Amino acid sequence: TQLLEQSPQFLSIQEGENLTVYCNSSSVFSSLQWYRQEPGEGPVLLVTVVTGGEVKKLKRLTFQFGDARKDSSLHITAAQPGDTGLYLCAALPSGTYKYIFGTGTRLKVLA
Amino acid sequence: EAGVVQSPRYKIIEKKQPVAFWCNPISGHNTLYWYLQNLGQGPELLIRYENEEAVDDSQLPKDRFSAERLKGVDSTLKIQPAELGDSAVYLCASSLAGPQETQYFGPGTRLLVL
Repeated sequence: TQLLEQSPQFLSIQEGENLTVYCNSSSVFSSLQWYRQEPGEGPVLLVTVVTGGEVKKLKRLTFQFGDARKDSSLHITAAQPGDTGLYLCAALPSGTYKYIFGTGTRLKVLA
Repeated sequence: EAGVVQSPRYKIIEKKQPVAFWCNPISGHNTLYWYLQNLGQGPELLIRYENEEAVDDSQLPKDRFSAERLKGVDSTLKIQPAELGDSAVYLCASSLAGPQETQYFGPGTRLLVL
């Protein structure tokens, strides 16, 4: 079974702080996605990365795909209360058509 | 444009009772997914449809779960009989054509089995 492990599981920080969330696996992936999910809602796609070493920026969010396409990180600069939510990574194992989701990181940003 | 619509949003039933969830995908989306999400976990795929054909149902517990997508648009997911361990959020998602396309999720149905 291919697993995507995310760390940390929970994170509570003050507004204005920086943070990094990690998504790790021993498997190689064709692509990897990051989602944010708010309570009572479905996950919303933030970004898709497909090339090893790729870095994408979305305002204060920076996403990086590992060189070996086995891991990824999400860095948030100057976190705001609106960043609060469950962050999920999802990856497409090479040769398959089914995304698997990570265990999630629950982030709370305090005002 | 309307997103993925699911109903009901919440359902409380007693164990051994049947329950059904309904999903209306985004107009024009050929691919439809049903996921199960346990509290504090990521979604797990139950079944994927390409139009009206179930192309991946390997994770669907077929002894009690069934799904259909008549006419390749709306879909229903049924559990009969429900067990305590089925308490979870059931998410529906759709994409334009195939899993490589962006998936758009509905708000989910939160099921509580007592």
